Amino acid sequence: GEDVEQSLFLSVREGDSSVINCTYTDSSSTYLYWYKQEPGAGLQLLTYIFSNMDMKQDQRLTVLLNKKDKHLSLRIADTQTGDSAIYFCAEAYNNNDMRFGAGTRLTVKP
Amino acid sequence: EAGVAQSPRYKIIEKRQSVAFWCNPISGHATLYWYQQILGQGPKLLIQFQNNGVVDDSQLPKDRFSAERLKGVDSTLKIQPAKLEDSAVYLCASSPGGNQPQHFGDGTRLSIL
Repeated sequence: GEDVEQSLFLSVREGDSSVINCTYTDSSSTYLYWYKQEPGAGLQLLTYIFSNMDMKQDQRLTVLLNKKDKHLSLRIADTQTGDSAIYFCAEAYNNNDMRFGAGTRLTVKP
Repeated sequence: EAGVAQSPRYKIIEKRQSVAFWCNPISGHATLYWYQQILGQGPKLLIQFQNNGVVDDSQLPKDRFSAERLKGVDSTLKIQPAKLEDSAVYLCASSPGGNQPQHFGDGTRLSIL
């Protein structure tokens, strides 16, 4: 069946770039999303990309989409300690239902 | 703009008891979603409402879970009776509709003893 997969952990040094990768399987997905979750909080929408685009940049965030390989990535430039959180990739399908990955825990070391 | 409001923030009950969660979506958002997030996993959709009608409840365990959105605004999610495996965070999200992004509340953390 369809699934969204992400690596579970990523550790970087403060000031470095972080790249979080995601693969999805539903080729009919319309939008792909990145959400951030801090401890005890809900999901915060970071950015999203329409499936007919291949790149979107928003300040420190760059999203790359390779639709042929069903691969999505989120690059965070100049990563800060406040970026430490769990990052979820999600695909929208059907009536804007969303399917989430298990999340990537980003740890930023000073 | 006020965000999605959920209450309570935490709930502890014993198995076989009943529990209800409440959600108030962002003003004007026609679509409302309930998700279950088990520790260490991503959120899993339980039910989607468009105004006061159900769009998708295919993943809602209907033998014990129920949800309603009677006036097309607030929504309640109920579990009766609760099982140990229902321990999770229950997240509510809303969107204006169509392909607009979903915005999440802070969730209700449910612990079953």
